[in-house]
Amino acid sequence: QSALTQPASVSGSPGQSITISCTGTSSDVGSYNLVSWYQQHPGKAPKLMIYEGSKRPSGVSNRFSGSKSGNTASLTISGLQAEDEADYYCCSYAASSTLVFGGGTKLTVL
Amino acid sequence: EVHLVESGGGLVKPGGSLRLSCAASGFTFSSYWMHWVRQAPGKGLVWVSRINSDGSSTNYADSVKGRFTISRDNAKNTLYLQMNSLRADDTAVYYCARDLPAGLYQVPSYGMDVWGQGTTVTVSS
Repeated sequence: QSALTQPASVSGSPGQSITISCTGTSSDVGSYNLVSWYQQHPGKAPKLMIYEGSKRPSGVSNRFSGSKSGNTASLTISGLQAEDEADYYCCSYAASSTLVFGGGTKLTVL
Repeated sequence: EVHLVESGGGLVKPGGSLRLSCAASGFTFSSYWMHWVRQAPGKGLVWVSRINSDGSSTNYADSVKGRFTISRDNAKNTLYLQMNSLRADDTAVYYCARDLPAGLYQVPSYGMDVWGQGTTVTVSS
């Protein structure tokens, strides 16, 4: 159950698009279309942004999108806004009904 | 409105025990899988455990297997996490979260769509 690999930080200017990668293995990300993404503001509980790789829960902006290629999942945020500044975590199913999170990525909106 | 409220956190000595509770409201608790996730101070999210809707199936992270037990009381709309043999590295905010059912047959998506506010567990002598 090794953590998925995410970049520690990414940044972008308002209006731009950014992509956060999440690299796992053939035992987790690569084998299942069960990657979810969470946004967490300081001192707050996480919020689900993407599930099953690319699906958005009701109420989540369509500026957020998810995809996967091989063992790497990605979260793209388009039209970056100040309120998008937060920590982002990926999470993948990892067999036997267990889950593994990534280490988290701090997004800074310049 | 859908709510999850954790309780039971506190300060405990290494080797001690603690039971966390998560009270659910605003939805049919007995229909959903549930998870516990923790976050050490200044660190990332770590999945701890999950339980299916009727409590008959559970899974754990390797780091807590054999020490923690997840359970639920659907009559009381409450999820539990019994934590034994606590260690300093169990110090964290513990969140309960609901698994979002998806697809035609509404199976668990392993996406967690509702979270509580968290309860803090500190293991220290």
